[in-house]
Amino acid sequence: KAGVTQTPRYLIKTRGQQVTLSCSPISGHRSVSWYQQTPGQGLQFLFEYFSETQRNKGNFPGRFSGRQFSNSRSEMNVSTLELGDSALYLCASSSGTGAAGELFFGEGSRLTVL
Amino acid sequence: AQTVTQSQPEMSVQEAETVTLSCTYDTSESDYYLFWYKQPPSRQMILVIRQEAYKQQNATENRFSVNFQKAAKSFSLKISDSQLGDAAMYFCAYRSANFGNEKLTFGTGTRLTIIP
Repeated sequence: KAGVTQTPRYLIKTRGQQVTLSCSPISGHRSVSWYQQTPGQGLQFLFEYFSETQRNKGNFPGRFSGRQFSNSRSEMNVSTLELGDSALYLCASSSGTGAAGELFFGEGSRLTVL
Repeated sequence: AQTVTQSQPEMSVQEAETVTLSCTYDTSESDYYLFWYKQPPSRQMILVIRQEAYKQQNATENRFSVNFQKAAKSFSLKISDSQLGDAAMYFCAYRSANFGNEKLTFGTGTRLTIIP
């Protein structure tokens, strides 16, 4: 069974640009969550999508957005990039049905903003 | 809001010895789940062990076990017979048991070094 796949693995952008990150969950999983990991703030929850609907949202500005497609693949977008957006962005998938199911993480997308 | 605290930024242990990583949390909920995740240098987060708050029995997974003290809101991880492959960042995480809430709240992590 294929794991959670995130693309791209690395990317470099400049301030003011926008970026789109992609996450393909494990087959059959309907929930996709996104986390930002930085040395200063640690792991912070961005949002979670379930069956194409945003079900939970963290405390991030509106520049951070996401969506989920009918095949459960998810994208997150960051517009008007700031230096502080440099981070490892992790995606996690799960069944999303409420049991204490394991969240499976991808290897992350390392974003550097110059 | 829930918070998770890991007070040990770094720990080290001799290979084959036992080490305990600490975690405390704060919540007003009565039903929830607690997790320990491992993030090796390859950076993929891997679940080590989980505990359901309504279960009094401490979870164990091979060399990994937890000491769950619900009243004290404490959830420590014990690693027995430490191996070189155990070197990683370890994160304690909390998740509500409310249906539809997949959000994990993480602690700041403990970097574990294994000394050969």
